Amino acid sequence: DTGVSQNPRHKITKRGQNVTFRCDPISEHNRLYWYRQTLGQGPEFLTYFQNEAQLEKSRLLSDRFSAERPKGSFSTLEIQRTEQGDSAMYLCASSLTSNTGELFFGEGSRLTVL
Amino acid sequence: GESVGLHLPTLSVQEGDNSIINCAYSNSASDYFIWYKQESGKGPQFIIDIRSNMDKRQGQRVTVLLNKTVKHLSLQIAATQPGDSAVYFCADPYSSASKIIFGSGTRLSIRP
Repeated sequence: DTGVSQNPRHKITKRGQNVTFRCDPISEHNRLYWYRQTLGQGPEFLTYFQNEAQLEKSRLLSDRFSAERPKGSFSTLEIQRTEQGDSAMYLCASSLTSNTGELFFGEGSRLTVL
Repeated sequence: GESVGLHLPTLSVQEGDNSIINCAYSNSASDYFIWYKQESGKGPQFIIDIRSNMDKRQGQRVTVLLNKTVKHLSLQIAATQPGDSAVYFCADPYSSASKIIFGSGTRLSIRP
């Protein structure tokens, strides 16, 4: 297994467009997390899944954001009607339920909204 | 608010010296702490963890110390190398419903 994979790595879009990011976690990991990180800040928690169930969403996750993990494997994060403030690195991580302290992160998807 | 806080936003050390990154936590019931490292352009990487029944835990060139009396933990890096340049985060999952909540971190830079 090659670790957590995210794509696209970079996305440039115009304000108002929709974007979707995909995350493929480590195969045996049943937990999957999404974080957002802006320059100079630590990653901000957005949401996480236990298998296909979305167990928690941060207040940061406005109704323009939606995340899914339909079969308990890969996950998508969609941002509708993008705004310039959505420009950030979107990080995905996965873990075993038995060891939720050790997250394995992907290299992120960088979004630039013009 | 955050349940853990790093003391310094930046730390500069001479290559070969030991680095000490300090972190304070507020919840006396917290029983598990974690350190992560994030190199430029990469996602955070787990370094080491410690449970509250321990005062010290050692890894490869890293040691974490936990002082429950003053609710303080530190990450010590021995013989700091250029590859240790990164932002370091401490986290207290107990206080955040088992999620990892990252603060702003401490940026460690190495002087040659």
